Parts: sequence; structure tokens; C-alpha cells
Amino acid sequence: EVQLVQSRAEVKRPGESLKISCQGSGYTFTKYWIDWVRQMPGKGLEWMGIIYPGDSDTRYSPSFQGQVTISVDKSINTAYLQWNSLKAADTAMYYCARRDGNLNGMDVWGRGTKVIVSS
Amino acid sequence: QIVLTQPPSVSGAPGQRVTISCTGTSSNIGTGYDVHWYQQIPGAAPRLVIYDKTKRPSGVPDRFSGSRSGSSASLTITGLLAEDEADYYCQSYDSGLSGSVFGGGTKVTV
Repeated sequence: EVQLVQSRAEVKRPGESLKISCQGSGYTFTKYWIDWVRQMPGKGLEWMGIIYPGDSDTRYSPSFQGQVTISVDKSINTAYLQWNSLKAADTAMYYCARRDGNLNGMDVWGRGTKVIVSS
Repeated sequence: QIVLTQPPSVSGAPGQRVTISCTGTSSNIGTGYDVHWYQQIPGAAPRLVIYDKTKRPSGVPDRFSGSRSGSSASLTITGLLAEDEADYYCQSYDSGLSGSVFGGGTKVTV
């Protein structure tokens, strides 16, 4: 079964760092792009960026460039989304999703990682 | 920054047809970039229901169909069922932003 398994929910303080993960299984991980999508409470989907595990080619939305880092460890079929200094405004659900071309639809989604940033 | 415009909500009775519009610009849908549609039931992850403007992934009923005209795209659900009640999002690529963009989402009420 093709699936993306995301790391558990996190509760952090403002200013802390965080790295969440997305592990693919059931398919050739290096041949599909992985997207990261944010959904703030009660709001819509926002595209954050994308990475190709085969060569680590990474693109960011202008809204998230410099705010987060997307990376991958293809030896363990895992993509990451990282913050160096969290803010309360980063409180959201974060989804990873895969697609077989960076213009194609996202056909498999993870269940999401809930991040709460509160003092 | 929302560059694809969707109506906030649409509603229909069971068995009826509803259409959700997604209006873009010459830097995204109008250029010919493919449009994809996702269904999100509350509390769940999004699910791809239409890709490449008109195609359905396996497992998606043929009650769901997509179309495109100029800088706009549409998702139509025919024979509306209670289980279709969800939020729906369109998504495409924007050359000005050099990345993907989502519409603001449309809540379908049955």
C-alpha cells in the first residue's frame, strides 16, 4: 500500500526549533516529488514548497521562503519540514503529499502533523 | 496570497447538481497549466478527486467531473449525496510565483 506517514503532533514554545517528518512507503520514493501544505485552524490550504528526493531539487512558495527549510533523507525515504524559531502564527496542521511531476496533482497525502506553538 | 478565486460556499439538495468555479489569471490557468481538485472532509486530509482538469483517479465516482474554459475551471458534482458534503479546493501552477497555488476553498452543503 502506498502511504505517507507523518510524525506525531507537537506542542512547542515560541522561539523553539522543530523538524517534522514524512516517510513514504509502498513506492519508489526517489521518483515522486513531495509537497508540504499548511492549513491554519479553520482556514484553507496553502502550498509551502516541494522537494524531489531523487536529487533534492527544492522550490519554495515566496510566502514561506526563508521561514522554513525542506529537506530529504532518501536513505530512509523521509522528507522533512523544519523551523529554526517558531512563532505562534506557525500553529497549524501540516500535510505532506506526493506527485509524479511538479505540475501534476497530489495523489497521496499524509494524515497531517498538528503543530501548536504557545507560551 | 490567494490567486485562484472560488465561491465560499455552494449548496444543493440530494440528487441535484452543483458546480464550483475556480477563476485564475493569465499566469496560471489561463496559460494552460493543469488544474486539480481536492475534497477535504472535516478532520481528514485532502483527497485528489480530479487531476489534469478532467481526469478522475481510480476510486473517485463518475459523479465528479472537471472542465476548463479560458482562465477558469469548474468542478461539477452530479447526483449529490450526503457524503459529498466537504470543502473543495482547486490547485494549479502559477508562473509569476514559480510554484503551486490553491484556491480559497468552497464548502459544499448537501
